[in-house]
Parts: sequence; structure tokens; C-alpha cells
Amino acid sequence: AQKVTQAQTEISVVEKEDVTLDCVYETRDTTYYLFWYKQPPSGELVFLIRRNSFDEQNEISGRYSWNFQKSTSSFNFTITASQVVDSAVYFCALSEASLGKIIFGKGTRLHILP
Amino acid sequence: DSGVTQTPKHLITATGQRVTLRCSPRSGDLSVYWYQQSLDQGLQFLIQYYNGEERAKGNILERFSAQQFPDLHSELNLSSLELGDSALYFCASSVVRQGAEAFFGQGTRLTVV
Repeated sequence: AQKVTQAQTEISVVEKEDVTLDCVYETRDTTYYLFWYKQPPSGELVFLIRRNSFDEQNEISGRYSWNFQKSTSSFNFTITASQVVDSAVYFCALSEASLGKIIFGKGTRLHILP
Repeated sequence: DSGVTQTPKHLITATGQRVTLRCSPRSGDLSVYWYQQSLDQGLQFLIQYYNGEERAKGNILERFSAQQFPDLHSELNLSSLELGDSALYFCASSVVRQGAEAFFGQGTRLTVV
């Protein structure tokens, strides 16, 4: 069965601290895709990154980095030197090649305190 | 701006009524998804269409139905509305590629009173 677990419901950190958002997934497929989305207070869902199951290279984009580990079925997201504008709900998601639909975790609400 | 357009942005209606939510996908996208976001349930996948055909179904209630038209826009019909149907309904679209990321519209906020 397809499942995404974001165990951290809510996290608060002080600005400039680093923060890691955890994501654990379950799938029976060998080919699958993982995503992170951001939902700022304005409500829209913004795509951040896509990863396929055959590419375990970590990725860095500015202050954002992603750590994909198939051995632990995890796809964690780290924000370095956090800023108040990073305050949002972050969703991890999974799509199995055989099914196509994208399933989301329940999200982690991140508060960056000034 | 994701390029996905949803109308209306807000909708207030009474229990028992029927509403239609509309979605125009990004230019060139053939796949359309519908999601429901409520406070206690997170983002729930409802249904996916690909080029007019239903591709995948989630926990969509029988009172809800959707379709994708030849011009690729999609509509989500919600009938016999209940208070619990109050939520943010998102439409998303993607290109036809395995594992393609979906781009989301701004959502329709439905309030059932």
C-alpha cells in the first residue's frame, strides 16, 4: 500500500537555525517518485522538488537540501539558516509508477520565529 | 502563478445543495487531479483524469463526481452537501510523464452552512 508519514505535526525554530523535516514512505513498487510541496499562509501549494526511486543523490538548492535514503524509506528536507518566510506547511508526497496518483502526508507546520 | 485556474475561489452554500467546482489545467497538461483539504484530514486524493478518462480514484464519496471535458478542463460536482464537506478543494495538473510533478491551483474554499 502507498503511504507517506510525516511524524512531526508542528515545529518551531528561531530564525537562522537549521531545521529538518522528516518524511517516511511505504510502497511496494520499485519505481516511484517522491515530492515536497510548500503551503504558505496564503494557501497555495508550491512544488519544491521531485525525486525518482533510482536517484539517491542528495540535492541542494540554495538553503534547501533533500536527503533520500532508500534503505530507511526516507526523504528528509532540511532548511539551512531558516528565515521567517520559510514559515509554512510542508508536505511530502509519493507517486507509484503503476498507479500515477500522488498521495500526500499530513504535513508539517513549520514556524520560524524572529 | 502555477497556470492552473480554479473557479470560484470561495463558495458558501447550504446543506443539501449541489455545487460545481471548475478547473482549467496548465496549457499542455493532460492530467488533472482533485484533492480535498480539511483541517483534520490533510490533503486527500479524490480522483485523477487523463485526457478525459478516469485514471485513478481515491476516497471520493458517491455524492461527489468529476469529469474532464474534451478541452481538458475539469469539473468536480458535489451534491447533497453536508457540513463536513466544508474544505479547500484543490485541482492540480501535470504533463503526461511517469511521476510528473503536479502543479496546483489556488483552490476553492467551500463552506457549507
